[in-house]
Parts: sequence; C-alpha cells; structure tokens
Amino acid sequence: AQRVTQPEKLLSVFKGAPVELKCNYSYSGSPELFWYVQYSRQRLQLLLRHISRESIKGFTADLNKGETSFHLKKPFAQEEDSAMYYCALSAYAGGADGLTFGKGTHLIIQP
Amino acid sequence: DAGVTQSPTHLIKTRGQHVTLRCSPISGHKSVSWYQQVLGQGPQFIFQYYEKEERGRGNFPDRFSARQFPNYSSELNVNALLLGDSALYLCASSFTGNEQFFGPGTRLTVL
Repeated sequence: AQRVTQPEKLLSVFKGAPVELKCNYSYSGSPELFWYVQYSRQRLQLLLRHISRESIKGFTADLNKGETSFHLKKPFAQEEDSAMYYCALSAYAGGADGLTFGKGTHLIIQP
Repeated sequence: DAGVTQSPTHLIKTRGQHVTLRCSPISGHKSVSWYQQVLGQGPQFIFQYYEKEERGRGNFPDRFSARQFPNYSSELNVNALLLGDSALYLCASSFTGNEQFFGPGTRLTVL
C-alpha cells in the first residue's frame, strides 16, 4: 500500500526566509503527486501537481523518484503563506484509489 | 459556481445511530470522492464514485456506504455509529478523477 510522510508537524520561519516542506512517499509504481493547502477557515484546495510543473504563488515542487520525495519550496516566505499544507499521492490513473494524504505540516510565517 | 457543497455543516449523533451526509459536485464533474479527516490527521479516502458506479473503496468497515445519483450528487451513509467516527467528512469532485476539488466538510460528533 502507498504511504505519504510529512516529517514536520509544525514549521515556523520568518518572512522573507526560504521555505521547504518535506514530503516522502512509498509506492512501487509511478504515482501522481500533489500539494494541497488549507488556509484558516477555508476549504482544502489544490496548490500544485507534479505533472503540470507550474509555479503557484511562488511555490515549486519537484518529483524525485530516486529519493521518493516531493518537497515543496518557496525562496521567500510571505505572511499569507501561513496555512496547513498536505502532500498527497494518487496511485492510479483517474484516481480510482483516491488520494493518500500525509498528516500535514502547519506552516507559520513570522513577521 | 459555488464549488462543491456539503450538508449539513455540523451534526451531533449518539452511538448506534446512523447518519447521512450529502454532497453536490461542481457542475460538469461526474466523479465524487469521500474522505474522513480525524483531528490532527490528513484526510483518509473512503469511496470514489464515477457515473454512479463505485470505482474505489478505502479501508473502512461495511458500516460505511455511499451512492451517487443521476445528477451526480452523492450521499455517504454510516450505520451503527461509534465514538471513533467523530471526524470531518470531506467530499471532493473532479472531472477526471485525479484533480479533486474539496467541499467545506461536514463535522460529525458522536456522543
């Protein structure tokens, strides 16, 4: 079975500092990886997916199949980045097996 | 478009009762997935439905069941409620299955 691990429950950085939220996965096939974000009092929303290779709100994530990682990075943190971040994996095309989520990392950006 | 909607927002039940949660997907989306999110954890996949057929099921007991209607809305039913069923229940809709859009959730409390 697939698994997603986010080792940091809480990450606190100062505004303007670089941010890296770690995500490691275990899956024997070729997964699709996602980062979801939940801002205070808002619903869970898709931040980015590895196949689109986009940069959203300054965040990027590269899938490293050798290290089975999909870390989320931003060079300069902003206060509005404070939120709960979840890494998720889809094992099957079309998502028939649902998304497997990590436990999440609470990112706090200090002024 | 209001996005994915769920009802009710909050629900309180007692052990042994049953509950029905409802979800309306984004217009044009034919796939609906259900997730359970316990406090401090990431969402856990329960079911996925596409075109009224069950496409995937997570590791949940048979007390959990769901269905999808011709208008693509969906219901999640939980019988013989246990204290451990207290959680936020999330519904997500998608066009293809992988890129999922989440609703605000239904907070279920079992006393």
